[in-house]
Amino acid sequence: EVQLVESGGGLVQPGGSLRLSCAASGFTFSSHGMHWVRQAPGKGLEYVSVISSNGGSTYYANSVKGRFTISRDNSKNTLYLQVGSLRVEDMAVYYCARDRGWLQFLDYWGQGTLVTVSS
Amino acid sequence: QSALTQPASVSGSPGQSITISCTGTSSDVGGYNYVSWYQQHPGKAPKLMIYDVSNRPSGVSNRFSGSKSGNTASLTISGLQAEDEADYYCSSYTSSNTLGVFGTGTKVTVL
Repeated sequence: EVQLVESGGGLVQPGGSLRLSCAASGFTFSSHGMHWVRQAPGKGLEYVSVISSNGGSTYYANSVKGRFTISRDNSKNTLYLQVGSLRVEDMAVYYCARDRGWLQFLDYWGQGTLVTVSS
Repeated sequence: QSALTQPASVSGSPGQSITISCTGTSSDVGGYNYVSWYQQHPGKAPKLMIYDVSNRPSGVSNRFSGSKSGNTASLTISGLQAEDEADYYCSSYTSSNTLGVFGTGTKVTVL
């Protein structure tokens, strides 16, 4: 059974940073691109970042470029998102999701981790 | 990249059919057969319902179907059931950026 379990969210002050993690199991992690998608309270879904199966290619939404860094450790079956210079508008539930292959569709999602940005 | 346009809400009675539209441009929905649909119940993670315009993943009810005409994709739910009450989001590949784009989301209410 495919499982994606996020962790690392929490309360952080504006300008602060966090590292989100997503532990994957039940599939060959190193064969799939992986995404971070976020959802602000009461709002819709927003693509944040994607990383290729071997970590060699990464892409970011303009809204987070230069502040967030996506990475993965295929030996640990874990996806990461380092979020920095946080703004109030970054407050959201952050989901990790598996890409069927590369830039196809998201066939499995984690339960999400909440990042709250407040002073 | 602007979000794809969906109606804010759609409603129907049990047993009826409803259709949710997802309108984009020739740079996304109209240009590629890479439209997917996601269902999200309150407080839960999204779930893939349709991929590549009209394909259903294993385990998804055949009451859900997808189609596309020009720059507009559609999700049809037939034989509407109480459990179908949720938010639905479309998504498409886009030539404007690598990540893709989501729709604005549609709240489905079962009357």
